[in-house]
Amino acid sequence: DSGVTQTPKHLITATGQRVTLRCSPRSGDLSVYWYQQSLDQGLQFLIQYYNGEERAKGNILERFSAQQFPDLHSELNLSSLELGDSALYFCASSVAGSASGTDTQYFGPGTRLTVL
Amino acid sequence: EDQVTQSPEALRLQEGESSSLNCSYTVSGLRGLFWYRQDPGKGPEFLFTLYSAGEEKEKERLKATLTKKESFLHITAPKPEDSATYLCAVQVGAGGTSYGKLTFGQGTILTVHP
Repeated sequence: DSGVTQTPKHLITATGQRVTLRCSPRSGDLSVYWYQQSLDQGLQFLIQYYNGEERAKGNILERFSAQQFPDLHSELNLSSLELGDSALYFCASSVAGSASGTDTQYFGPGTRLTVL
Repeated sequence: EDQVTQSPEALRLQEGESSSLNCSYTVSGLRGLFWYRQDPGKGPEFLFTLYSAGEEKEKERLKATLTKKESFLHITAPKPEDSATYLCAVQVGAGGTSYGKLTFGQGTILTVHP
């Protein structure tokens, strides 16, 4: 158990709908990262938050957005869902995620999203 | 663009048959190279971080090594419970804009038969 929690574990929805994925980081971690894992693309970085502020953006679609709240939990919002958005979505957390240091990211169990 | 390539894509071993997994990378300004283990449908589990060429780290039957262009994950006398996908990832720093994001390889699927 990494200490990172994600809900829900599974999500089945229809095209065009909107869903929210939730992540709680490990105690003491200030950085939260979101990754998408699909069979053809592997694990892809989406976005990073540090202590409530957006720090870095990766291959995140405009239909997707995220935020980190004062209690440090984070939510990833996916809207106007398409079949191709079906994937595993992982949240990871680390102590700092700073520009100069290196710290380990610990991953949650993931949310499996199926868009029908 | 940062690139991480893992080989082989899949590896089948007999229990006790030692082998190595390869991770080659092309990045500017490597800050760290990470190895993770992932079981089907689960989140990646952290194994090792390597920071500089020549560094080695060990954990049970696993040993990770790093050169300037690649990393190896050596598996000694593997057991069936070592079966998993092994992921390599790099963290780079370029002018302070990359922060903590990880760039992953496609992974090596390891199957160990009893």
